[in-house]
Amino acid sequence: LAKTTQPISMDSYEGQEVNITCSHNNIATNDYITWYQQFPSQGPRFIIQGYKTKVTNEVASLFIPADRKSSTLSLPRVSLSDTAVYYCLVGVGDTGRRALTFGSGTRLQVQP
Amino acid sequence: AAGVIQSPRHLIKEKRETATLKCYPIPRHDTVYWYQQGPGQDPQFLISFYEKMQSDKGSIPDRFSAQQFSDYHSELNMSSLELGDSALYFCASSNPSGPGTGELFFGEGSRLTVL
Repeated sequence: LAKTTQPISMDSYEGQEVNITCSHNNIATNDYITWYQQFPSQGPRFIIQGYKTKVTNEVASLFIPADRKSSTLSLPRVSLSDTAVYYCLVGVGDTGRRALTFGSGTRLQVQP
Repeated sequence: AAGVIQSPRHLIKEKRETATLKCYPIPRHDTVYWYQQGPGQDPQFLISFYEKMQSDKGSIPDRFSAQQFSDYHSELNMSSLELGDSALYFCASSNPSGPGTGELFFGEGSRLTVL
């Protein structure tokens, strides 16, 4: 399974854009990149998933360069409720059933 | 919309006792995953099942076993409990239809405390 590296923590203020970068140098050809958000004592929640280039949904954007060795989660105009741990996961594979391994996530603290 | 249901939500056991956690996946989800998250730690993958067969195996201790039943619910059985087994246990389910569709839906977790 591809190993991921993320910053341990980040600080931001309400209304700012936050970009969290994850490196995954040994990503496999059939791996997808998925980001999850976790609040204390709650199960992780899916944010966004992509394979290459850019993916955008109603809550975030995911930027993946051509070599796919890294990815950047972009959260536009964060609010206090975005304070959470964010995990970058690499895997899934061809069938979409392979288990995902959580690495050390990024603890985002949003201040007023 | 129906979510992943886990029971019990809280469980207190003594050392060397046994515990069973149950997971009811989202309807029509055929894949179930179990994760363990200790205090201040990241979720650790334990085991997964697809169509009632073990699919992937992670860092699950030999004292633990799990299975998926014909109605797709899953149970995690833990024996000879140790203090270090105290953790939040999450179950997740998915129903991927091909590459890149394996979004995991997590339950609210079962908190196990071993005294």
